[in-house]
Amino acid sequence: GAVVSQHPSWVICKSGTSVKIECRSLDFQATTMFWYRQFPKQSLMLMATSNEGSKATYEQGVEKDKFLINHASLTLSTLTVTSAHPEDSSFYICSARRGPNTQYFGPGTRLTVL
Amino acid sequence: AQTVTQSQPEMSVQEAETVTLSCTYDTSESDYYLFWYKQPPSRQMILVIRQEAYKQQNATENRFSVNFQKAAKSFSLKISDSQLGDAAMYFCAYRRGNYGQNFVFGPGTRLSVLP
Repeated sequence: GAVVSQHPSWVICKSGTSVKIECRSLDFQATTMFWYRQFPKQSLMLMATSNEGSKATYEQGVEKDKFLINHASLTLSTLTVTSAHPEDSSFYICSARRGPNTQYFGPGTRLTVL
Repeated sequence: AQTVTQSQPEMSVQEAETVTLSCTYDTSESDYYLFWYKQPPSRQMILVIRQEAYKQQNATENRFSVNFQKAAKSFSLKISDSQLGDAAMYFCAYRRGNYGQNFVFGPGTRLSVLP
């Protein structure tokens, strides 16, 4: 079946540094990928929609200069958390759209900012 | 904007018994999909069941079934013959029918299965 991977699965970084998270569709092409954030014991909240070859669409309240999204190919979208701070610590999950009505979730990336 | 509500933060069920998780949603759209996702401790989101809004028949997947009440905007999940592996967070989710739309998730219900 379709698989979406994320790398890394977890990362610890110092405050002020930048972290890049990759989301890959392994056996299908995904023109659209979505990035969600999940704080502990909370639900998933959409951060942005990533479209291949164009700029990402960010949800209200999400800083586009802080969360840089690049969807450079049909199988890869990256989320870069710039100048990370402890409040950015969270679980980041991507999903990739396959066809009009099917999406698959990645396993998530746990980010801890010290 | 669409919203999804799950009024039960936590539920528990005895192994082999049946449990129903509640979900209500609000939308003005006519074309949409509803989903139940399971999130075990691994945090991987696992699709449990999905329902197309235009279908009147309730979706069923083995031990999982839904009660879709479109007029009431209600979408409950029934788990029959509960198993220990069913213990997880369950999220109700809404997605517009337009091409490639994102999910809107409810706050989740934590299900415990008691041996």
